[in-house]
Amino acid sequence: SQQGEEDPQALSIQEGENATMNCSYKTSINNLQWYRQNSGRGLVHLILIRSNEREKHSGRLRVTLDTSKKSSSLLITASRAADTASYFCATDPLASGTYKYIFGTGTRLKVLA
Amino acid sequence: GAVVSQHPSRVICKSGTSVKIECRSLDFQATTMFWYRQFPKQSLMLMATSNEGSKATYEQGVEKDKFLINHASLTLSTLTVTSAHPEDSSFYICSAWGSSSYNSPLHFGNGTRLTVT
Repeated sequence: SQQGEEDPQALSIQEGENATMNCSYKTSINNLQWYRQNSGRGLVHLILIRSNEREKHSGRLRVTLDTSKKSSSLLITASRAADTASYFCATDPLASGTYKYIFGTGTRLKVLA
Repeated sequence: GAVVSQHPSRVICKSGTSVKIECRSLDFQATTMFWYRQFPKQSLMLMATSNEGSKATYEQGVEKDKFLINHASLTLSTLTVTSAHPEDSSFYICSAWGSSSYNSPLHFGNGTRLTVT
């Protein structure tokens, strides 16, 4: 079964607005990563946050992690039309012992120009 | 750096034939690669973990004899869909770590769109 679930499933905003996506997972993790996927392409890594970190920034991206709630959020500020893509969180379950990442259900973001 | 090349990007085959998909790490060595399957507008489902020089580890529900994985070198893993049927039509993606640490990003190929007619 999926380790992570994301909401919303789809999000449509105007250019310049902020976009927030949430990821919830089920078991303790080593770290959590966020990826972006343009339609019909592979995934591109955005940011990795370790289980002992609470917040991380990279350019217009801000990621938070709350291990007590087993949740993470990805904030994209000042969105652009080029940010239109699907965004996935990926977790590495601590108990798996195999370091394999399980991907969330994804959020399809559409930024309108 | 850390480029993963996946080939072919698209393939159409007839039912009953086999299709091989290649995943290459171009500028790094990948002892471990992962194979995923993705249905339209859905997430990636991990199919198997490919380990160089040893047998692949398949996820529950994935048929080993149907999806043959070979990881014969540190830069190449292949997925062969044997006796393909229309229900095998999907988007297949491979990934690999760019370093030996599991706390590192995964690098993905651009995927292969398989259509079985």
